[in-house]
Amino acid sequence: LAKTTQPISMDSYEGQEVNITCSHNNIATNDYITWYQQFPSQGPRFIIQGYKTKVTNEVASLFIPADRKSSTLSLPRVSLSDTAVYYCLVVPTGANNLFFGTGTRLTVIP
Amino acid sequence: EPEVTQTPSHQVTQMGQEVILRCVPISNHLYFYWYRQILGQKVEFLVSFYNNEISEKSEIFDDQFSVERPDGSNFTLKIRSTKLEDSAMYFCASSEEAGGNYEQYFGPGTRLTVT
Repeated sequence: LAKTTQPISMDSYEGQEVNITCSHNNIATNDYITWYQQFPSQGPRFIIQGYKTKVTNEVASLFIPADRKSSTLSLPRVSLSDTAVYYCLVVPTGANNLFFGTGTRLTVIP
Repeated sequence: EPEVTQTPSHQVTQMGQEVILRCVPISNHLYFYWYRQILGQKVEFLVSFYNNEISEKSEIFDDQFSVERPDGSNFTLKIRSTKLEDSAMYFCASSEEAGGNYEQYFGPGTRLTVT
C-alpha cells in the first residue's frame, strides 16, 4: 500500500485559493488518488478522486502529474466553512478498505 | 441526496457490557464498512462486509467485535464486552462497489463512551 505524506497543517485567509500537496512515491499502477474532508465530530466526506492529469468538480480540482508520485488538491476561494482536516488516500482498484493518515488540518482565517 | 444514517448518536456504557451500533447504508450499495476514530487520532478501518460476509478486517477487529446485516436495510456492529479503550467515534460507510474509483459514503458516527 502506497504511503502518503502531506503537511500536518495549513492556514489560509478567506477568499484565497488553497493548494494541498500530497506525495505518494510508491503509488502502483492500479491505485487511485482520493481526497476526503472531515469536519470535527463528523464522518469523512469524499471530495474528489482521480487517476491522472486533472479532475475538477464543483468543490475542488485535483492535479496529478504524469509520474503520479504526487497530487495537489486545489480549493478555490476558501471560506470559513472549509476549515477541516483533508486526507489524501491512495486506494487500489478493488480495495475493501480505506487507510487514513493524519491528514492536513486547514484553518481558514477571516 | 441519499445518506448513511447511524443510531444512536451517542452511547454510554459500562465496561464489560455489550453494545450494538446500528447503521442504515444507502439502499443500492453493496459494500459496507465500519471505521473508528479515537479522539484526536486517525480514522481506522475495522471491517468490510459484502454479500453477507466479512471481506476484510483489521487487527483491531478481534473476537470481541462482530458485524451483521440482520435484514435488508440495517448493518450492525456489536462489541461483546466493552473496554475503556473502545471509547471512540464509530463510523459506518457504504459504497456501490469496492475500490479506489468508488467513493465511500460515511455516516455521522456514533460516539461510544465506555466508563
